[in-house]
Amino acid sequence: SQTIHQWPATLVQPVGSPLSLECTVEGTSNPNLYWYRQAAGRGLQLLFYSVGIGQISSEVPQNLSASRPQDRQFILSSKKLLLSDSGFYLCAWSNRGYEQYFGPGTRLTVT
Amino acid sequence: AQSVTQPDIHITVSEGASLELRCNYSYGATPYLFWYVQSPGQGLQLLLKYFSGDTLVQGIKGFEAEFKRSQSSFNLRKPSVHWSDAAEYFCAVGGLTDSWGKLQFGAGTQVVVTP
Repeated sequence: SQTIHQWPATLVQPVGSPLSLECTVEGTSNPNLYWYRQAAGRGLQLLFYSVGIGQISSEVPQNLSASRPQDRQFILSSKKLLLSDSGFYLCAWSNRGYEQYFGPGTRLTVT
Repeated sequence: AQSVTQPDIHITVSEGASLELRCNYSYGATPYLFWYVQSPGQGLQLLLKYFSGDTLVQGIKGFEAEFKRSQSSFNLRKPSVHWSDAAEYFCAVGGLTDSWGKLQFGAGTQVVVTP
């Protein structure tokens, strides 16, 4: 069966510090991968999605970036965090456009 | 414009009572339809999905949803809620030709269950 992992589970970082969140998927090959953000009391905002290694599409202009160095690994990064980057970050995978399956999320607090 | 609407931001229901959450979409064709549930501090869990065929779909945890093409709706129902059903529920649409591989989520409905 497929599983999706995210780490860390929680993170507190000062403004201006770098960020790296990691997502890995097991039990499937060549999935679509997605990064979402949920701000407090808000819905889901799609940040990035990837249909293959090295292929990243950005949905929203921001100071975040994403990379997919391996088939089942998706990384969300920032060089300098802003207060507005605080939120709950969710990674998801899907098999070519159908339903998405979500990871447990990372709670990021920028102080 | 394409959209997914969940008209109810917040619903309070008594334990044992029935629950219905509304979802309406605005798209030219019938999209794929999904309901997800999110408990506090957790990721989203897929409750059920509709692609085609029987318009009444059964899901996990005793939930069902009915697709009504004439109303562009995909409402979620449960006959008798349990305290553990307190969570946020998201309707989503996908399979759209101009955004293949992506889901469009509604804003969510927060469900509170009272004793």
